[in-house]
Amino acid sequence: EPEVTQTPSHQVTQMGQEVILRCVPISNHLYFYWYRQILGQKVEFLVSFYNNEISEKSEIFDDQFSVERPDGSNFTLKIRSTKLEDSAMYFCASSVYTGLAGGLVDTDTQYFGPGTRLTVL
Amino acid sequence: ELKVEQNPLFLSMQEGKNYTIYCNYSTTSDRLYWYRQDPGKSLESLFVLLSNGAVKQEGRLMASLDTKARLSTLHITAAVHDLSATYFCAVDRDRDDKIIFGKGTRLHILP
Repeated sequence: EPEVTQTPSHQVTQMGQEVILRCVPISNHLYFYWYRQILGQKVEFLVSFYNNEISEKSEIFDDQFSVERPDGSNFTLKIRSTKLEDSAMYFCASSVYTGLAGGLVDTDTQYFGPGTRLTVL
Repeated sequence: ELKVEQNPLFLSMQEGKNYTIYCNYSTTSDRLYWYRQDPGKSLESLFVLLSNGAVKQEGRLMASLDTKARLSTLHITAAVHDLSATYFCAVDRDRDDKIIFGKGTRLHILP
């Protein structure tokens, strides 16, 4: 069964360093997301991406964050200068749903990757 | 601002019992999601609900949506230990695609 994959599973970095988290969404999916979850807390939406551009972003997703789909398969999240409070589990997700440009799809399901645990020291 | 509130936040129940988790949200929405998360694991999509009155069932779990009341419920029938997990609802705001999660309900089912 197709699945979303993420690398690395765990990233340790020093405060102020840049990190790139990688995701490979399911191949026929059109809509991609990044979420984060600070340990034991709720899941927070960061950004959604469709048709090679950001569709929506949250207040958390400031200038320190960027996303890119550098080729046909990878979807990356870059944090330019990490802060201690960026330590969290980062989940990538993808779905078939076409976003505001398309109609509502009853089978729209987000498939989540296993996550990358980011630790900022 | 869209707010999503789940209750209870923690639920401990006996096997075989029925219970309901509630998810209230504060503004109109395109769709409502329910997810399951096991400790240290990723999120698993359970249900996507689009329209008023939508009801979906999978095994011992049934989800419903009342868009007028801005309320979704996740009903557990005859709980079994394997259903122990944290359950999140999430709402996709209808004027954009921001997705807001509730705080989650940690369900602990006692054998």
